[in-house]
Amino acid sequence: NAGVMQNPRHLVRRRGQEARLRCSPMKGHSHVYWYRQLPEEGLKFMVYLQKENIIDESGMPKERFSAEFPKEGPSILRIQQVVRGDSAAYFCASSAKRWEGTYEQYFGPGTRLTVT
Amino acid sequence: AQKVTQAQTEISVVEKEDVTLDCVYETRDTTYYLFWYKQPPSGELVFLIRRNSFDEQNEISGRYSWNFQKSTSSFNFTITASQVVDSAVYFCALTTYSSASKIIFGSGTRLSIRP
Repeated sequence: NAGVMQNPRHLVRRRGQEARLRCSPMKGHSHVYWYRQLPEEGLKFMVYLQKENIIDESGMPKERFSAEFPKEGPSILRIQQVVRGDSAAYFCASSAKRWEGTYEQYFGPGTRLTVT
Repeated sequence: AQKVTQAQTEISVVEKEDVTLDCVYETRDTTYYLFWYKQPPSGELVFLIRRNSFDEQNEISGRYSWNFQKSTSSFNFTITASQVVDSAVYFCALTTYSSASKIIFGSGTRLSIRP
């Protein structure tokens, strides 16, 4: 059973370009979460999605960032007009259900975004 | 509001020493989960343990042990007989019933084990 997959693992963008980060959840999981880890910091929640729905985007910056999780295909985190401050590791996690007695999120390996 | 505090930013010990990483959490929920993750230099997150708020039993797994004390809102992590391979950043984290969509992470403790 493959784990959470993220690609690309490393992404370099120049200022002003767009970055697209992909996350394929574990098989059977319909809940996806995105977290951002700025250099030398802990992970911060960004957004929680179910298939075709954004459930909680309270951690998403108001501008330039968007996320989707279509009926078919991976979840996409999109950053438009990237700036140097967007350089970070972006982790995706998935779970089978939102809250169960054995709640657990499984994390992907992360995408390291570098903005030059 | 929920919060996780890891007051130790960096710890450095000599190999074979025991080391304890502190974690203090804040929540008003009575139902919550606590986690510890390891992030080695390669950058991925390695899940170590999950503990729910109704289970205060301490846990031991090999050289690792965890001490959960609700009275002090702490969930400390001890590595016995540390090894160089234990060098990593360790994160304590919390999720609660009322914020089930989010895992709240502490800022991490960077552990360096010197040979």
